[in-house]
Amino acid sequence: QQQVKQSPQSLIVQKGGISIINCAYENTAFDYFPWYQQFPGKGPALLIAIRPDVSEKKEGRFTISFNKSAKQFSLHIMDSQPGDSATYFCAASIRNAGNMLTFGGGTRLMVKP
Amino acid sequence: KAGVTQTPRYLIKTRGQQVTLSCSPISGHRSVSWYQQTPGQGLQFLFEYFSETQRNKGNFPGRFSGRQFSNSRSEMNVSTLELGDSALYLCASRAQPSGGAHEQYFGPGTRLTVT
Repeated sequence: QQQVKQSPQSLIVQKGGISIINCAYENTAFDYFPWYQQFPGKGPALLIAIRPDVSEKKEGRFTISFNKSAKQFSLHIMDSQPGDSATYFCAASIRNAGNMLTFGGGTRLMVKP
Repeated sequence: KAGVTQTPRYLIKTRGQQVTLSCSPISGHRSVSWYQQTPGQGLQFLFEYFSETQRNKGNFPGRFSGRQFSNSRSEMNVSTLELGDSALYLCASRAQPSGGAHEQYFGPGTRLTVT
Protein backbone atom coordinates (compact mmCIF):
# COMPACT_ATOMS: atom_id res chain seq x y z
CA GLN A 1 0.00 0.00 0.00
CA GLN A 2 1.59 3.19 -1.19
CA GLN A 3 1.01 5.77 1.49
CA VAL A 4 2.92 8.55 -0.25
CA LYS A 5 2.21 9.21 -3.92
CA GLN A 6 4.66 11.28 -5.94
CA SER A 7 4.31 12.90 -9.33
CA PRO A 8 5.53 13.27 -11.96
CA GLN A 9 7.75 10.22 -12.44
CA SER A 10 10.06 12.21 -14.68
CA LEU A 11 10.55 15.87 -15.41
CA ILE A 12 12.57 17.81 -17.97
CA VAL A 13 13.21 21.48 -17.28
CA GLN A 14 15.31 24.07 -19.03
CA LYS A 15 18.18 25.69 -17.16
CA GLY A 16 16.87 28.60 -15.14
CA GLY A 17 13.35 27.23 -15.02
CA ILE A 18 11.28 26.10 -12.04
CA SER A 19 11.02 22.40 -11.24
CA ILE A 20 7.91 21.35 -9.32
CA ILE A 21 7.40 17.91 -7.77
CA ASN A 22 4.22 17.00 -5.93
CA CYS A 23 3.43 14.48 -3.22
CA ALA A 24 0.26 13.39 -1.48
CA TYR A 25 -0.04 11.32 1.66
CA GLU A 26 -2.79 9.31 3.29
CA ASN A 27 -1.72 8.69 6.86
CA THR A 28 -2.67 11.70 9.00
CA ALA A 29 -0.27 10.48 11.70
CA PHE A 30 2.66 11.59 9.55
CA ASP A 31 4.19 14.70 11.06
CA TYR A 32 7.48 15.18 9.26
CA PHE A 33 7.99 15.51 5.54
CA PRO A 34 11.54 15.45 4.17
CA TRP A 35 12.78 15.56 0.62
CA TYR A 36 15.81 13.60 -0.55
CA GLN A 37 18.08 13.98 -3.55
CA GLN A 38 19.81 10.96 -5.02
CA PHE A 39 22.55 10.92 -7.62
CA PRO A 40 23.50 7.72 -9.49
CA GLY A 41 25.69 5.48 -7.37
CA LYS A 42 24.92 7.40 -4.20
CA GLY A 43 22.49 7.03 -1.36
CA PRO A 44 19.69 9.57 -0.84
CA ALA A 45 20.78 12.82 0.81
CA LEU A 46 18.44 15.02 2.84
CA LEU A 47 17.59 18.21 0.99
CA ILE A 48 14.99 19.96 3.09
CA ALA A 49 12.25 18.96 5.53
CA ILE A 50 9.04 20.50 6.84
CA ARG A 51 6.64 19.95 9.71
CA PRO A 52 2.86 20.26 9.19
CA ASP A 53 2.55 23.36 11.38
CA VAL A 54 4.42 25.32 8.72
CA SER A 55 2.97 26.07 5.26
CA GLU A 56 6.24 26.86 3.54
CA LYS A 57 9.96 26.45 4.11
CA LYS A 58 12.70 27.84 1.93
CA GLU A 59 16.38 26.96 1.82
CA GLY A 60 18.28 28.62 -0.98
CA ARG A 61 16.71 27.65 -4.28
CA PHE A 62 14.64 24.88 -2.70
CA THR A 63 11.16 25.52 -1.25
CA ILE A 64 8.67 23.11 0.29
CA SER A 65 5.01 24.09 0.21
CA PHE A 66 2.68 22.20 2.55
CA ASN A 67 -1.11 21.94 2.46
CA LYS A 68 -2.27 20.05 5.54
CA SER A 69 -5.99 20.05 4.69
CA ALA A 70 -5.31 18.59 1.25
CA LYS A 71 -2.63 16.27 2.61
CA GLN A 72 -0.26 17.42 -0.10
CA PHE A 73 3.21 18.90 -0.23
CA SER A 74 5.48 19.94 -3.02
CA LEU A 75 9.09 20.78 -3.79
CA HIS A 76 9.94 23.80 -5.91
CA ILE A 77 13.44 24.18 -7.31
CA MET A 78 13.95 27.73 -8.51
CA ASP A 79 16.52 28.64 -11.16
CA SER A 80 17.08 24.95 -11.90
CA GLN A 81 20.64 24.04 -12.88
CA PRO A 82 22.08 21.05 -14.76
CA GLY A 83 23.73 20.01 -11.48
CA ASP A 84 20.25 19.55 -10.01
CA SER A 85 19.67 16.63 -12.39
CA ALA A 86 19.00 13.75 -10.02
CA THR A 87 16.19 11.65 -8.62
CA TYR A 88 14.11 13.32 -5.94
CA PHE A 89 12.11 11.50 -3.30
CA CYS A 90 9.53 12.88 -0.95
CA ALA A 91 9.06 11.01 2.29
CA ALA A 92 7.00 11.06 5.45
CA SER A 93 7.59 9.90 8.98
CA ILE A 94 6.13 9.99 12.45
CA ARG A 95 8.32 11.92 14.85
CA ASN A 96 9.73 9.93 17.75
CA ALA A 97 8.36 6.73 16.27
CA GLY A 98 11.65 5.40 15.05
CA ASN A 99 13.56 5.64 11.83
CA MET A 100 10.96 4.44 9.37
CA LEU A 101 10.62 6.73 6.39
CA THR A 102 7.80 6.12 3.92
CA PHE A 103 9.01 7.23 0.53
CA GLY A 104 7.24 8.40 -2.59
CA GLY A 105 8.05 6.68 -5.86
CA GLY A 106 10.64 9.23 -6.95
CA THR A 107 10.95 11.82 -9.71
CA ARG A 108 13.81 11.74 -12.16
CA LEU A 109 14.67 15.36 -12.94
CA MET A 110 16.71 16.37 -15.95
CA VAL A 111 17.72 20.01 -16.32
CA LYS A 112 18.76 20.82 -19.86
CA PRO A 113 21.52 23.42 -20.34
CA LYS B 1 33.95 12.63 9.78
CA ALA B 2 33.61 9.61 7.52
CA GLY B 3 30.16 8.79 6.19
CA VAL B 4 28.22 5.55 6.32
CA THR B 5 30.23 2.71 4.85
CA GLN B 6 28.67 -0.31 3.19
CA THR B 7 30.44 -3.43 2.00
CA PRO B 8 30.54 -4.92 -0.46
CA ARG B 9 29.40 -2.34 -2.98
CA TYR B 10 28.42 -4.92 -5.57
CA LEU B 11 27.45 -8.54 -5.22
CA ILE B 12 26.20 -11.24 -7.56
CA LYS B 13 24.53 -14.29 -6.08
CA THR B 14 22.60 -17.26 -7.37
CA ARG B 15 18.98 -17.97 -6.56
CA GLY B 16 18.71 -20.08 -3.39
CA GLN B 17 21.94 -18.81 -1.86
CA GLN B 18 22.17 -16.52 1.13
CA VAL B 19 23.96 -13.22 1.45
CA THR B 20 25.26 -10.98 4.23
CA LEU B 21 25.68 -7.25 3.81
CA SER B 22 27.61 -5.02 6.17
CA CYS B 23 27.16 -1.45 7.33
CA SER B 24 29.42 0.76 9.43
CA PRO B 25 27.58 3.83 10.72
CA ILE B 26 28.99 7.31 11.11
CA SER B 27 31.23 7.47 14.15
CA GLY B 28 29.13 8.12 17.24
CA HIS B 29 25.87 7.08 15.58
CA ARG B 30 24.13 4.28 17.41
CA SER B 31 20.97 3.84 15.35
CA VAL B 32 21.06 1.96 12.05
CA SER B 33 18.31 1.32 9.53
CA TRP B 34 18.15 -0.67 6.32
CA TYR B 35 16.16 0.07 3.18
CA GLN B 36 15.62 -1.79 -0.06
CA GLN B 37 15.48 0.19 -3.31
CA THR B 38 14.08 -1.34 -6.49
CA PRO B 39 12.74 0.25 -9.69
CA GLY B 40 9.33 -1.31 -9.13
CA GLN B 41 8.76 -0.86 -5.39
CA GLY B 42 10.96 2.17 -4.78
CA LEU B 43 12.52 2.70 -1.36
CA GLN B 44 11.13 0.44 1.33
CA PHE B 45 12.03 0.26 5.00
CA LEU B 46 13.41 -3.09 6.14
CA PHE B 47 14.31 -2.69 9.82
CA GLU B 48 16.11 -0.53 12.36
CA TYR B 49 18.44 -1.27 15.23
CA PHE B 50 19.54 0.62 18.30
CA SER B 51 21.73 -0.73 21.07
CA GLU B 52 21.79 -4.16 19.41
CA THR B 53 17.99 -4.40 19.54
CA GLN B 54 15.61 -4.41 16.61
CA ARG B 55 13.17 -1.57 17.21
CA ASN B 56 11.06 -1.63 14.11
CA LYS B 57 10.52 -3.89 11.11
CA GLY B 58 9.03 -3.30 7.70
CA ASN B 59 6.77 -5.61 5.74
CA PHE B 60 9.32 -8.12 4.48
CA PRO B 61 9.39 -11.92 4.76
CA GLY B 62 11.39 -13.65 7.46
CA ARG B 63 14.15 -14.41 4.94
CA PHE B 64 15.33 -10.89 5.64
CA SER B 65 17.06 -10.51 8.97
CA GLY B 66 19.58 -8.26 10.58
CA ARG B 67 21.61 -7.63 13.65
CA GLN B 68 23.65 -4.93 15.29
CA PHE B 69 26.89 -5.34 17.16
CA SER B 70 28.10 -3.57 20.29
CA ASN B 71 30.18 -1.17 18.16
CA SER B 72 26.96 -0.18 16.31
CA ARG B 73 28.02 -1.89 13.08
CA SER B 74 25.17 -3.75 11.48
CA GLU B 75 24.68 -6.64 9.13
CA MET B 76 21.66 -7.79 7.20
CA ASN B 77 21.14 -11.27 5.87
CA VAL B 78 18.91 -12.56 3.14
CA SER B 79 18.45 -16.32 2.97
CA THR B 80 17.15 -18.42 0.08
CA LEU B 81 17.63 -15.61 -2.41
CA GLU B 82 14.98 -14.98 -5.02
CA LEU B 83 15.29 -13.09 -8.29
CA GLY B 84 13.07 -10.37 -6.84
CA ASP B 85 15.64 -9.69 -4.12
CA SER B 86 17.84 -7.98 -6.70
CA ALA B 87 18.03 -4.43 -5.42
CA LEU B 88 20.14 -1.67 -3.97
CA TYR B 89 20.30 -2.17 -0.21
CA LEU B 90 20.83 1.06 1.67
CA CYS B 91 21.98 1.53 5.22
CA ALA B 92 21.30 4.72 7.12
CA SER B 93 22.57 5.87 10.49
CA ARG B 94 21.64 8.52 13.02
CA ALA B 95 22.89 9.48 16.41
CA GLN B 96 19.77 8.53 18.37
CA PRO B 97 16.44 7.00 17.34
CA SER B 98 14.46 9.93 18.74
CA GLY B 99 13.39 13.07 16.93
CA GLY B 100 12.66 13.23 13.24
CA ALA B 101 13.40 10.17 11.14
CA HIS B 102 14.76 12.44 8.44
CA GLU B 103 17.91 12.91 10.53
CA GLN B 104 19.39 9.81 8.96
CA TYR B 105 22.45 9.70 6.75
CA PHE B 106 22.48 7.13 3.98
CA GLY B 107 25.39 5.10 2.72
CA PRO B 108 26.04 4.46 -0.98
CA GLY B 109 24.35 1.08 -0.85
CA THR B 110 25.17 -2.47 -1.86
CA ARG B 111 23.97 -3.46 -5.31
CA LEU B 112 22.80 -7.09 -5.09
CA THR B 113 22.07 -9.00 -8.27
CA VAL B 114 20.45 -12.43 -8.01
CA THR B 115 20.77 -14.67 -11.09
